[in-house]
Amino acid sequence: DTAVSQTPKYLVTQMGNDKSIKCEQNLGHDTMYWYKQDSKKFLKIMFSYNNKELIINETVPNRFSPKSPDKAHLNLHINSLELGDSAVYFCASSQDLGGLAGPTDTQYFGPGTRLTVL
Amino acid sequence: AQSVSQHNHHVILSEAASLELGCNYSYGGTVNLFWYVQYPGQHLQLLLKYFSGDPLVKGIKGFEAEFIKSKFSFNLRKPSVQWSDTAEYFCAVTKAGGSYIPTFGRGTSLIVHP
Repeated sequence: DTAVSQTPKYLVTQMGNDKSIKCEQNLGHDTMYWYKQDSKKFLKIMFSYNNKELIINETVPNRFSPKSPDKAHLNLHINSLELGDSAVYFCASSQDLGGLAGPTDTQYFGPGTRLTVL
Repeated sequence: AQSVSQHNHHVILSEAASLELGCNYSYGGTVNLFWYVQYPGQHLQLLLKYFSGDPLVKGIKGFEAEFIKSKFSFNLRKPSVQWSDTAEYFCAVTKAGGSYIPTFGRGTSLIVHP
């Protein structure tokens, strides 16, 4: 069974379009994330949700809107796509153990969605 | 803000050579440390992690890393690399008691020639 799945795996679209990427995890984790990996392989956090609530929203254009219908899903909707949005987007999840020690568990990554904006 | 530095951006080795990839972080408090690996065309997966205890951590596939608190370092090592170790390697840090979002280094691209 796939722990963290994303669809689609590849997405090619024109500038100005609106698109969505879906993510599902079957690990029972509390926290889910979206990362963007650029052409130089730099991995940058975009959003984090804990129990369906937005926890972290890094400096990301408001054209990007995450939606978490339930704890197991975190979808990413992108409006008015631009050339600079081309990248690989990774979904991830982790179990938030909470407490002063903070989460100590591992991030489980999805396979990634390669977005190409033409 | 914490930061993670991986000074070797590209490393090229022959099979059987020894490997050491550097990772330094800037945060002075208690941290959790990770190494992730991304094989060509695949997603990131955990190689090893340190939370507490023995600073020498053993991971999968013969990798190990040593946490040296005084040097703010968590270098990754493997005594003898294989062609199949060709991948991107990412060091990551989370801050205990603070934001649990990991900060990733920029990655090191390792190419192992057969």
